Amino acid sequence: EPEVTQTPSHQVTQMGQEVILRCVPISNHLYFYWYRQILGQKVEFLVSFYNNEISEKSEIFDDQFSVERPDGSNFTLKIRSTKLEDSAMYFCAIPSQDSLNSPLHFGNGTRLTVT
Amino acid sequence: KNEVEQSPQNLTAQEGEFITINCSYSVGISALHWLQQHPGGGIVSLFMLSSGKKKHGRLIATINIQEKHSSLHITASHPRDSAVYICAVRSWNNDMRFGAGTRLTVKP
Repeated sequence: EPEVTQTPSHQVTQMGQEVILRCVPISNHLYFYWYRQILGQKVEFLVSFYNNEISEKSEIFDDQFSVERPDGSNFTLKIRSTKLEDSAMYFCAIPSQDSLNSPLHFGNGTRLTVT
Repeated sequence: KNEVEQSPQNLTAQEGEFITINCSYSVGISALHWLQQHPGGGIVSLFMLSSGKKKHGRLIATINIQEKHSSLHITASHPRDSAVYICAVRSWNNDMRFGAGTRLTVKP
């Protein structure tokens, strides 16, 4: 089963600052997802990424957000100018067999706190 | 109305009890996932279903595509099963919609 490592595990930032959240799957995958979970609320879909392009994105994923695969293995989620309401747990996930028709494997998440 | 509804929201059981968590959805889906979220926040995938029934250890998941309903069953529940169980559906355009979760507490 693939392993997914997210860094940092906890990030504290001031409002208006840029943050970059990182995700590294143990093997190269074409499909990739970012989700977030505001404390006490349900998990929400942000964006799906396939073969170096965004394939779907939610209403949450506005111009403040971007995703990249800068070096062929790492995946990043960037928030350009953080707002208080961006405070949440951010999860990346990959399909376990690099196919849409396979279970998802989640990273342990990055807890983002915007002050 | 939420596209993915779970019931119950909270469930407390005694060790050994048979547990059922339900999920109903209103959109067309290509697959349904059952996830387990531990108190520390980590999420583990339990099942992915597109039809029928799957079993893994003491866990059983079923789905009825016509009725747009899925159930997660836990047999011989144990305190270590205490977690939040989340139903999530993948729609045909590949985005995921999540239920609010069912918080299960199993008491010894």
